Amino acid sequence: SAVISQKPSRDICQRGTSLTIQCQVDSQVTMMFWYRQQPGQSLTLIATANQGSEATYESGFVIDKFPISRPNLTFSTLTVSNMSPEDSSIYLCSVDGDRAIDNYGYTFGSGTRLTVV
Amino acid sequence: DAKTTQPTSMDCAEGRAANLPCNHSTISGNEYVYWYRQIHSQGPQYIIHGLKNNETNEMASLIITEDRKSSTLILPHATLRDTAVYYCIVRGYGQNFVFGPGTRLSVLP
Repeated sequence: SAVISQKPSRDICQRGTSLTIQCQVDSQVTMMFWYRQQPGQSLTLIATANQGSEATYESGFVIDKFPISRPNLTFSTLTVSNMSPEDSSIYLCSVDGDRAIDNYGYTFGSGTRLTVV
Repeated sequence: DAKTTQPTSMDCAEGRAANLPCNHSTISGNEYVYWYRQIHSQGPQYIIHGLKNNETNEMASLIITEDRKSSTLILPHATLRDTAVYYCIVRGYGQNFVFGPGTRLSVLP
């Protein structure tokens, strides 16, 4: 399965600022996904990012707040804009597995733990 | 919304088998059952998946009932390192993974 590197692993940010999270994959992948995990909660999908097209956002998430870039098949960024304490969460990048291997699942990065103060 | 229901938490003695149930009564014929786990402060880790046959790998076994409305993940010899939140997810081809609250498994010494 793919190996995913996320940066930064954690950060403490001031409210009103923005943070860009990077996700690097060791192989080319078509689809990349960004999830949020609020404290004590399960994972929620923010958006799906395909190379060469606009990201597709899930209900409750908007591009102005969470702009995403996908410049090539191995890299994506998620920006958390104009942060407030409610944005304190773990943000996770994931990629789809090799569909040639029987509908394999997603591989996840280790996440970025964001604290907004 | 998640298509599965799982117990909120379970305990298991170290060295014993951990049996984690999952109900997915509305599963469709082309939807797979996936299991992931999330150890504290890490990203979710794939464990196993299946369509209708029982599956086994080096980590666990997956038992799916004949009507496919429920399944059980079996960790044959639980260790302290298996303490984690376990997610049962039903997903069809091309669909996104939707995570429910999962089962918090505590392996006790």
